[in-house]
Amino acid sequence: QSALTQPASVSGSPGQSITISCTGTSSDIGGYNYVSWFQQHPGKAPKLLIFDVTYRPSGVSNRFSGSKSGNTASLTISGLQATDEADYFCSSYTSSNTRVFGGGTKLTV
Amino acid sequence: QLQLQESGPGLVKPSETLSLTCTVSGYSISSNIYYWGWIRQPPGKGLEWIGTVHYRGNTYDNPSLKSRVTISVDTSKNQFSLKLTSVTAADTAVYYCAVTHGYNGSPWDAFHIWGQGTMVTVSS
Repeated sequence: QSALTQPASVSGSPGQSITISCTGTSSDIGGYNYVSWFQQHPGKAPKLLIFDVTYRPSGVSNRFSGSKSGNTASLTISGLQATDEADYFCSSYTSSNTRVFGGGTKLTV
Repeated sequence: QLQLQESGPGLVKPSETLSLTCTVSGYSISSNIYYWGWIRQPPGKGLEWIGTVHYRGNTYDNPSLKSRVTISVDTSKNQFSLKLTSVTAADTAVYYCAVTHGYNGSPWDAFHIWGQGTMVTVSS
Protein backbone atom coordinates (compact mmCIF):
# COMPACT_ATOMS: atom_id res chain seq x y z
CA GLN A 1 0.00 0.00 0.00
CA SER A 2 1.32 3.47 -0.87
CA ALA A 3 1.46 6.28 1.61
CA LEU A 4 -0.78 9.26 1.02
CA THR A 5 1.03 12.21 -0.57
CA GLN A 6 1.62 15.36 1.46
CA PRO A 7 3.91 18.32 0.79
CA ALA A 8 7.15 17.97 2.74
CA SER A 9 6.86 21.46 4.18
CA VAL A 10 4.68 24.53 4.35
CA SER A 11 5.21 27.85 6.07
CA GLY A 12 3.20 30.84 7.18
CA SER A 13 3.33 33.92 9.34
CA PRO A 14 1.48 34.41 12.63
CA GLY A 15 -2.16 35.26 12.03
CA GLN A 16 -2.21 33.90 8.49
CA SER A 17 -4.02 30.78 7.25
CA ILE A 18 -2.37 27.79 5.60
CA THR A 19 -3.68 24.64 3.97
CA ILE A 20 -1.99 21.24 3.89
CA SER A 21 -3.08 18.81 1.20
CA CYS A 22 -3.19 15.02 1.35
CA THR A 23 -3.64 13.20 -1.95
CA GLY A 24 -4.69 9.61 -2.31
CA THR A 25 -6.83 7.61 -4.70
CA SER A 26 -10.41 6.51 -5.16
CA SER A 27 -9.50 3.44 -3.09
CA ASP A 28 -8.81 5.47 0.01
CA ILE A 29 -9.52 9.18 0.44
CA GLY A 30 -11.84 9.40 -2.55
CA GLY A 31 -13.91 6.41 -1.57
CA TYR A 32 -14.46 6.84 2.16
CA ASN A 33 -14.93 9.47 4.85
CA TYR A 34 -12.50 7.88 7.30
CA VAL A 35 -9.96 10.67 6.84
CA SER A 36 -8.16 12.04 9.88
CA TRP A 37 -5.43 14.54 10.67
CA PHE A 38 -2.82 14.55 13.42
CA GLN A 39 -0.43 17.11 14.86
CA GLN A 40 2.91 15.96 16.25
CA HIS A 41 5.39 18.09 18.15
CA PRO A 42 9.00 16.84 18.41
CA GLY A 43 9.38 13.95 20.81
CA LYS A 44 5.64 13.76 21.46
CA ALA A 45 2.86 11.39 20.46
CA PRO A 46 0.53 12.45 17.64
CA LYS A 47 -2.60 14.38 18.62
CA LEU A 48 -5.89 13.89 16.77
CA LEU A 49 -7.11 17.15 15.20
CA ILE A 50 -9.76 16.05 12.69
CA PHE A 51 -11.68 12.79 12.15
CA ASP A 52 -14.18 11.67 9.52
CA VAL A 53 -12.96 14.45 7.17
CA THR A 54 -14.46 17.42 9.01
CA TYR A 55 -15.11 16.63 12.67
CA ARG A 56 -13.06 18.02 15.56
CA PRO A 57 -12.65 16.09 18.82
CA SER A 58 -13.67 17.93 21.95
CA GLY A 59 -10.95 20.36 23.04
CA VAL A 60 -9.43 20.94 19.59
CA SER A 61 -9.41 24.58 18.53
CA ASN A 62 -11.84 25.63 15.81
CA ARG A 63 -8.85 27.19 14.05
CA PHE A 64 -8.33 23.69 12.63
CA SER A 65 -10.71 22.55 9.90
CA GLY A 66 -10.82 19.69 7.43
CA SER A 67 -12.32 19.14 4.00
CA LYS A 68 -12.19 16.76 1.05
CA SER A 69 -12.58 17.08 -2.70
CA GLY A 70 -12.26 13.99 -4.83
CA ASN A 71 -9.12 12.11 -3.89
CA THR A 72 -7.59 15.00 -1.93
CA ALA A 73 -8.18 15.93 1.68
CA SER A 74 -7.09 19.22 3.17
CA LEU A 75 -6.33 20.61 6.62
CA THR A 76 -6.65 24.35 7.07
CA ILE A 77 -5.18 26.18 10.03
CA SER A 78 -6.38 29.73 10.48
CA GLY A 79 -4.90 32.43 12.72
CA LEU A 80 -1.51 30.73 12.76
CA GLN A 81 0.25 30.70 16.11
CA ALA A 82 3.84 29.85 17.00
CA THR A 83 2.62 26.77 18.86
CA ASP A 84 1.19 25.41 15.60
CA GLU A 85 4.75 24.75 14.39
CA ALA A 86 4.82 20.93 14.21
CA ASP A 87 4.53 17.97 11.87
CA TYR A 88 1.10 17.13 10.46
CA PHE A 89 -0.02 13.72 9.22
CA CYS A 90 -3.14 12.63 7.38
CA SER A 91 -4.61 9.13 7.47
CA SER A 92 -7.31 7.20 5.62
CA TYR A 93 -9.06 3.87 5.51
CA THR A 94 -8.44 1.91 2.31
CA SER A 95 -10.47 -0.56 0.26
CA SER A 96 -7.92 -3.24 1.18
CA ASN A 97 -9.24 -3.10 4.75
CA THR A 98 -6.15 -1.32 5.95
CA ARG A 99 -5.19 2.11 7.28
CA VAL A 100 -2.59 4.32 5.57
CA PHE A 101 -0.81 7.50 6.68
CA GLY A 102 0.62 10.38 4.70
CA GLY A 103 4.35 11.06 4.72
CA GLY A 104 3.93 14.13 6.91
CA THR A 105 4.23 17.88 6.45
CA LYS A 106 6.48 20.13 8.51
CA LEU A 107 4.80 23.43 9.29
CA THR A 108 7.06 26.39 10.01
CA VAL A 109 5.53 29.48 11.57
CA GLN B 1 -9.65 9.30 32.03
CA LEU B 2 -8.44 6.69 29.56
CA GLN B 3 -4.66 6.42 29.36
CA LEU B 4 -2.29 4.08 27.54
CA GLN B 5 1.24 3.03 28.44
CA GLU B 6 3.59 0.95 26.30
CA SER B 7 6.15 -1.37 27.86
CA GLY B 8 8.75 -3.82 26.61
CA PRO B 9 12.45 -4.23 25.76
CA GLY B 10 14.18 -1.27 24.18
CA LEU B 11 16.70 -3.45 22.38
CA VAL B 12 16.00 -6.55 20.28
CA LYS B 13 18.49 -8.64 18.32
CA PRO B 14 18.05 -9.18 14.56
CA SER B 15 15.94 -12.24 13.65
CA GLU B 16 14.36 -12.30 17.13
CA THR B 17 10.81 -11.38 18.16
CA LEU B 18 9.82 -7.90 19.32
CA SER B 19 7.20 -8.03 22.09
CA LEU B 20 5.39 -5.00 23.47
CA THR B 21 2.46 -4.56 25.83
CA CYS B 22 0.05 -1.66 26.13
CA THR B 23 -1.62 -1.22 29.52
CA VAL B 24 -4.99 0.51 29.49
CA SER B 25 -5.97 2.52 32.56
CA GLY B 26 -9.12 4.45 33.37
CA TYR B 27 -11.38 2.34 31.15
CA SER B 28 -12.20 -1.28 30.44
CA ILE B 29 -10.60 -2.76 27.34
CA SER B 30 -13.79 -4.83 26.94
CA SER B 31 -15.67 -2.09 25.10
CA ASN B 32 -17.80 -2.85 22.07
CA ILE B 33 -17.14 0.47 20.36
CA TYR B 34 -13.41 0.92 20.86
CA TYR B 35 -10.62 -0.68 18.87
CA TRP B 36 -6.99 -0.84 19.99
CA GLY B 37 -4.03 -0.37 17.70
CA TRP B 38 -0.29 -0.23 17.17
CA ILE B 39 1.50 2.37 15.07
CA ARG B 40 5.23 2.88 14.62
CA GLN B 41 7.50 5.71 13.53
CA PRO B 42 11.13 5.14 12.41
CA PRO B 43 13.49 7.90 13.52
CA GLY B 44 12.91 11.04 11.47
CA LYS B 45 10.20 9.40 9.36
CA GLY B 46 6.44 9.16 9.11
CA LEU B 47 3.82 7.01 10.81
CA GLU B 48 3.10 3.42 9.82
CA TRP B 49 -0.01 1.55 10.91
CA ILE B 50 0.84 -1.92 12.21
CA GLY B 51 -2.54 -3.34 13.19
CA THR B 52 -5.78 -3.07 15.14
CA VAL B 53 -7.61 -5.42 17.50
CA HIS B 54 -11.01 -5.61 19.18
CA TYR B 55 -11.41 -7.17 22.63
CA ARG B 56 -13.47 -9.96 21.06
CA GLY B 57 -10.42 -10.95 19.02
CA ASN B 58 -11.09 -9.45 15.58
CA THR B 59 -7.76 -8.29 14.18
CA TYR B 60 -6.68 -6.23 11.19
CA ASP B 61 -3.05 -5.84 10.22
CA ASN B 62 -0.79 -4.23 7.65
CA PRO B 63 -0.06 -6.72 4.83
CA SER B 64 3.25 -4.96 4.15
CA LEU B 65 4.57 -6.57 7.35
CA LYS B 66 4.18 -9.93 5.64
CA SER B 67 2.37 -11.86 8.38
CA ARG B 68 5.08 -11.16 11.00
CA VAL B 69 2.53 -9.44 13.25
CA THR B 70 0.39 -10.88 16.03
CA ILE B 71 -1.84 -8.57 18.09
CA SER B 72 -3.82 -9.93 21.02
CA VAL B 73 -5.92 -8.78 23.98
CA ASP B 74 -5.76 -9.87 27.62
CA THR B 75 -8.99 -8.66 29.20
CA SER B 76 -8.01 -9.96 32.65
CA LYS B 77 -5.05 -7.58 32.69
CA ASN B 78 -6.69 -4.80 30.67
CA GLN B 79 -3.81 -5.00 28.20
CA PHE B 80 -3.17 -5.66 24.55
CA SER B 81 0.06 -6.82 22.99
CA LEU B 82 2.15 -6.77 19.84
CA LYS B 83 4.51 -9.46 18.63
CA LEU B 84 6.66 -8.84 15.55
CA THR B 85 8.80 -11.75 14.43
CA SER B 86 12.06 -11.94 12.47
CA VAL B 87 12.97 -8.31 13.11
CA THR B 88 15.63 -6.42 11.18
CA ALA B 89 17.16 -2.95 11.50
CA ALA B 90 14.23 -1.66 9.43
CA ASP B 91 11.96 -2.38 12.41
CA THR B 92 13.81 0.16 14.57
CA ALA B 93 11.20 2.75 15.52
CA VAL B 94 9.14 4.40 18.20
CA TYR B 95 6.15 2.14 18.77
CA TYR B 96 2.85 3.69 19.86
CA CYS B 97 -0.30 2.07 21.11
CA ALA B 98 -3.57 3.92 20.59
CA VAL B 99 -7.36 3.60 20.85
CA THR B 100 -10.04 4.73 18.40
CA HIS B 101 -12.51 7.44 19.32
CA GLY B 102 -15.49 5.12 18.85
CA TYR B 103 -17.61 7.65 16.94
CA ASN B 104 -18.77 5.01 14.46
CA GLY B 105 -17.86 1.93 16.50
CA SER B 106 -15.65 0.95 13.55
CA PRO B 107 -12.09 -0.43 13.45
CA TRP B 108 -11.38 2.40 11.00
CA ASP B 109 -12.32 5.22 13.35
CA ALA B 110 -9.41 7.58 13.95
CA PHE B 111 -6.95 6.84 16.71
CA HIS B 112 -7.89 9.36 19.41
CA ILE B 113 -5.79 8.62 22.48
CA TRP B 114 -2.16 7.59 22.16
CA GLY B 115 0.47 6.26 24.52
CA GLN B 116 3.69 8.23 24.90
CA GLY B 117 5.54 5.75 22.68
CA THR B 118 8.47 3.46 23.32
CA MET B 119 11.70 3.36 21.31
CA VAL B 120 12.75 -0.08 20.10
CA THR B 121 16.15 -0.57 18.50
CA VAL B 122 17.03 -3.68 16.53
CA SER B 123 20.74 -4.34 16.83
CA SER B 124 23.13 -7.12 17.75
